[in-house]
Amino acid sequence: DTVLTQTPLSLSVTPGQPASISCKSSQSLLHTDGTTYFYWYLQKPGQAPQLLINEVSNRFSGVPERFIGSGSETDFTLTISRVEAEDVGVYYCMQNKHLPYTFGQGTKLEIK
Amino acid sequence: QVQLVQSGAAVRKPGSSVKISCKAPGGTFTTNTINWVRQAPGQGLEWMGRILPTPGITNFIPKFHDRLSLTADKSTSTVYLQLSRLTSEDTAIYYCARVDGRWFGGGLDSWGQGTLVTVSS
Repeated sequence: DTVLTQTPLSLSVTPGQPASISCKSSQSLLHTDGTTYFYWYLQKPGQAPQLLINEVSNRFSGVPERFIGSGSETDFTLTISRVEAEDVGVYYCMQNKHLPYTFGQGTKLEIK
Repeated sequence: QVQLVQSGAAVRKPGSSVKISCKAPGGTFTTNTINWVRQAPGQGLEWMGRILPTPGITNFIPKFHDRLSLTADKSTSTVYLQLSRLTSEDTAIYYCARVDGRWFGGGLDSWGQGTLVTVSS
């Protein structure tokens, strides 16, 4: 299975400051069709996960511009340019280039 | 956004089965891939499998191979997950989640509200 390793597992950020989460894959997620099948999700407390970023860097509908996805092949980063209180929750990366789909362990973001 | 609606919480005894439903809006139901993801208490997300309602093709992870069934009823736009021979390790919230209009790749862009399954004697 493709292992996704997230770091850090938790972070505490002052509102207005940036935050960054890394996700490293054990295999390349770049397909021969040119697409990299890598995604970011946020699970707010008590809620189902929600899609933030499609295919490395494309914000899903309604996702604020402060969420920025980057990376390629095996190394990916989610950056929140200025953290807001509503951003608290657990962030997960996910790949679906290879079966089975796999998720990272999750990174818990809290506000200082 | 598309809303997926799941059935309510269930309590089962070890060794029994549970069947969870996930209803999607009609229209494009048959072209959406429905995935199932579970989350044990205090744990992360685990992808279990997926179904493309038409033509009813499925994938699931090997550890569930012989006790997981994914089915679809196109007449009611509902997908079902049935898990048999339950153990305490199956206690979790089960989510259905949609990929819009494709079988390969794609983000899970709409999720059900989750169904808590508790396995206890």
